Amino acid sequence: DAKTTQPTSMDCAEGRAANLPCNHSTISGNEYVYWYRQIHSQGPQYIIHGLKNNETNEMASLIITEDRKSSTLILPHATLRDTAVYYCIVRAYSGAGSYQLTFGKGTKLSVIP
Amino acid sequence: EPEVTQTPSHQVTQMGQEVILRCVPISNHLYFYWYRQILGQKVEFLVSFYNNEISEKSEIFDDQFSVERPDGSNFTLKIRSTKLEDSAMYFCASRRDRDPSYEQYFGPGTRLTVT
Repeated sequence: DAKTTQPTSMDCAEGRAANLPCNHSTISGNEYVYWYRQIHSQGPQYIIHGLKNNETNEMASLIITEDRKSSTLILPHATLRDTAVYYCIVRAYSGAGSYQLTFGKGTKLSVIP
Repeated sequence: EPEVTQTPSHQVTQMGQEVILRCVPISNHLYFYWYRQILGQKVEFLVSFYNNEISEKSEIFDDQFSVERPDGSNFTLKIRSTKLEDSAMYFCASRRDRDPSYEQYFGPGTRLTVT
């Protein structure tokens, strides 16, 4: 699986958009980009994933560059409850295997009142 | 919304004792996982389970660990003889299918403390 690089930490003002970047310059064509978050010591929570098109759901938007070497997770109106560690994970689809997730250190997002 | 549940939320045990951590995955899911997170460290994959057998396991998942799906709903992780270094949060996860468009859903975790 491709390696990802994320900033260690970021701050965001409450109510503003939080833009969390992720670099995955070695991504290959069959690898998806997943975003999860972990609030305090709770179980990781799925946010969104994509292959090459931009995606949006009720939680966030995922913008993937045309060359797929980086992506940005956007939380449109951050709230204090969005304070968490955000993980960008790249995972291949090979047609077999269990697709376990490999977590890095992620980005610690602090939403400031 | 369906969710993964785990019991107990906190387990304290003495070194050398056996522990069983329990999980109830989402009912129509086919893939099941255990991960662990030592305090302050990354979430680490332990094992995946599909069609009543281990699909993949990490180096952490040695002979002291075993998994079982004893009935149609529970998925358990057993640690035969606990060590101090087994103290961690243990997360169960499940996934509907092997298609990567399906995401993994995690439970709230069991905090295991080995004294």
